[in-house]
Amino acid sequence: GQNIDQPTEMTATEGAIVQINCTYQTSGFNGLFWYQQHAGEAPTFLSYNVLDGLEEKGRFSSFLSRSKGYSYLLLKELQMKDSASYLCAVRDVNTGNQFYFGTGTSLTVIP
Amino acid sequence: DSGVTQTPKHLITATGQRVTLRCSPRSGDLSVYWYQQSLDQGLQFLIQYYNGEERAKGNILERFSAQQFPDLHSELNLSSLELGDSALYFCASSVPTQGVNTEAFFGQGTRLTVV
Repeated sequence: GQNIDQPTEMTATEGAIVQINCTYQTSGFNGLFWYQQHAGEAPTFLSYNVLDGLEEKGRFSSFLSRSKGYSYLLLKELQMKDSASYLCAVRDVNTGNQFYFGTGTSLTVIP
Repeated sequence: DSGVTQTPKHLITATGQRVTLRCSPRSGDLSVYWYQQSLDQGLQFLIQYYNGEERAKGNILERFSAQQFPDLHSELNLSSLELGDSALYFCASSVPTQGVNTEAFFGQGTRLTVV
């Protein structure tokens, strides 16, 4: 099966940097994805890693270590609108390229 | 706009009833996934279709069923509804016909309330 773990809640200050960690176990790793979800809305894609290393996209960066089964999402220059749930997901080629989602990290940005 | 369309946006129905949720994937995407998200819960994978065929099943109840039609749209049928079925139901699509894997794109969801 797939086990995806991420912290349930985090709080950070506007303008600061926050790192959201994700660990996973999967037999047929074929990519790790980060999504943002505001309450009651659809998840929206943020980033994708399939090789080790850092992918940077504006204020958002994502890091992957396949040997450690570990990823993090880094959010810089936090804004109030970044308050949302952040979902880590892995795709597994052994199960038809399924996307398996963690339960999400609820981030609250405070002034 | 993700390109994935779900209808209806909201649905209120009584216990014991049956409803059908509809999803039109992004143009060219062959895979459709259905997820259930209850209040303050994560996305629970229900079922996946690829080019009309069932590809994988998750924690889908026997009262629930789905299909994908030749035009690639999909329907999720929920029957003998219970109060606990109240949730957001998301459809996502991926895999363009060119064969390159992409991320999953989500529709806006159908909010089902069973009363």
